[in-house]
Formats: sequence, C-alpha cells, structure tokens
Amino acid sequence: AQRVTQPEKLLSVFKGAPVELKCNYSYSGSPELFWYVQYSRQRLQLLLRHISRESIKGFTADLNKGETSFHLKKPFAQEEDSAMYYCALRLQGGSEKLVFGKGTKLTVNP
Amino acid sequence: KAGVTQTPRYLIKTRGQQVTLSCSPISGHRSVSWYQQTPGQGLQFLFEYFSETQRNKGNFPGRFSGRQFSNSRSEMNVSTLELGDSALYLCASSLAPGQEPLLEQYFGPGTRLTVT
Repeated sequence: AQRVTQPEKLLSVFKGAPVELKCNYSYSGSPELFWYVQYSRQRLQLLLRHISRESIKGFTADLNKGETSFHLKKPFAQEEDSAMYYCALRLQGGSEKLVFGKGTKLTVNP
Repeated sequence: KAGVTQTPRYLIKTRGQQVTLSCSPISGHRSVSWYQQTPGQGLQFLFEYFSETQRNKGNFPGRFSGRQFSNSRSEMNVSTLELGDSALYLCASSLAPGQEPLLEQYFGPGTRLTVT
C-alpha cells in the first residue's frame, strides 16, 4: 500500500540553524512528491514539488528513489518558517489523489 | 481571483443526523477533491470530481457521498453521522485532472464538523 511517513511529529530549532524535515514514502510506481505547508490560521498551500527542482523560501527537497525519501531542507531557519509541514505523494494514473504524511510541526525559536 | 470557498465554516451536528458541506472552486477550475483531516489519521482522501463525474474515491464507508454540479461547485454529504466523523473537511481545486505533472491544487479553509 502507498504510504508517506514523517517520523518527527515535532521539530524545534533555533533561528539561523539548519533544518531538515524527513519524509519517506512507500510506493512501487513512479512517485510524484510534494511538500505542503500550513502557517498558523492559514490554508494548506503547496511549498514545492520534486519535479520543479527549485528552491522556495530557501527550502529545497531532493527525491532519493534509492532511499525512498524526499527530505525538506533549509540551511538557515527563520522564525517565519514555523508551521506545519506535510509531505504528500501522488500516484501514477492521472488521479488528483494525494497521500499525505501526518505532518511535522516546525518551531523556530528566536 | 477569489480562492476556494467552503461553507459553512463550522457545524455542530448530533449523532445520527446527516450533513451537507459545500465547496466552490477557484473560477475556471474544474477539478475538485475532498479530504478529511483528523488528529489521529491526518489528511485522508475522500473523493475527486471532474465534469460532474466522480473519478476516484477514498477508503470511506458509503455514508460519505458527494457530487459536482455543472458550474464545478461540489457538495459532500455524510449520512448517519458518527462521533468519529468529527473532523476538518478540506476541499481542493485545480484546473483539470489527469495532468502530468499534476497541476497545483489549491485548498479551501475547511469546514470544521463536530458531531456530539
């Protein structure tokens, strides 16, 4: 079965420290992976997707098919990065369905 | 451009009742998906609609149903409510389904359903 695992429910770092939010997936096909973010009192929104290979708000994520991982990284965390982060997997076949991990709450302390 | 809107935003119902939630996608978006979010299970896919047709359904009992209208607005219905149906119900819209790669989905604010 398809599954997305985010092993850390909570992650706390200090401002300026590097941050890495872990995501592992289980899927036999060719995955399409995303990171979504939800800031306090805001909607869930797309942060980045693996096919774009771009950096958004200083965050990057690389798909590692060998390790079935898609970890989210930022070299210098900012207080405004504090939010819930969800890793999501889209399956092959043209469906809009996303399989989400349970999320990691990131807190960046001053 | 207005975002995805969901009504009502909050709802309290009694066990055994039924409820209808509404979602209006972004103008021009024709694909709508629904998700249930609970603290225990996280975000779980409910349905996906395009052109008034259900394209995909998640692993939920038949008490959960939905539909899409010709203007792309969507409703979901939950009959015979149970305490465990208490959740945040999120709707997401995109231009069209089946795109490779997936077009960005935009989420609404959600409807918070409490079943007592």
